Amino acid sequence: GENVGLHLPTLSVQEGDNSIINCAYSNSASDYFIWYKQESGKGPQFIIDIRSNMDKRQGQRVTVLLNKTVKHLSLQIAATQPGDSAVYFCAATPESNYQLIWGAGTKLIIKP
Amino acid sequence: DTAVSQTPKYLVTQMGNDKSIKCEQNLGHDTMYWYKQDSKKFLKIMFSYNNKELIINETVPNRFSPKSPDKAHLNLHINSLELGDSAVYFCASSHRDRGQQTQYFGPGTRLLVL
Repeated sequence: GENVGLHLPTLSVQEGDNSIINCAYSNSASDYFIWYKQESGKGPQFIIDIRSNMDKRQGQRVTVLLNKTVKHLSLQIAATQPGDSAVYFCAATPESNYQLIWGAGTKLIIKP
Repeated sequence: DTAVSQTPKYLVTQMGNDKSIKCEQNLGHDTMYWYKQDSKKFLKIMFSYNNKELIINETVPNRFSPKSPDKAHLNLHINSLELGDSAVYFCASSHRDRGQQTQYFGPGTRLLVL
């Protein structure tokens, strides 16, 4: 099976600093990973994804790093802004199975 | 031009009642999903469905049933509502047959059972 978990339930970051949200997975067959952002009162929104043939992928102010050796991925948010306040989820799936396995979520709090 | 929409947004009802939540997607996706999110924000897949296959999470009570009148709609029917059914329910969709696992979510339906 697959377990996807986040190391910290809540992360407080000073506005303007970089944020790093971590996620661990257990199934080495997982080869597709997604990060979602869920703002208060809204549904999860796709941020960025990465496949297992890559170890880094960058988007606008966000970077996802994948370490398959230790089954770990992280989401880095540069220059954190108040609008980044949300719960962040990682999800994983093997390509042969389209069921996403979701982590528990990390709440990102931005301190002014 | 909402991609995935759900109705109602809020649903307050008495224990024992039967209710339905509707979901529609205009993304042309072939697969739709229902999730339950509890008070701790944990997302639990309930169903995934396309015209070929219904996958049911075995932990979902049979009081919950998905109904799909067409590819763009997947409604959730709940019979004999219980207090523990109170949660936020999210509908999502994706292009499974194109190998794209990214799921797009609706705004959620907040169900409160009294």
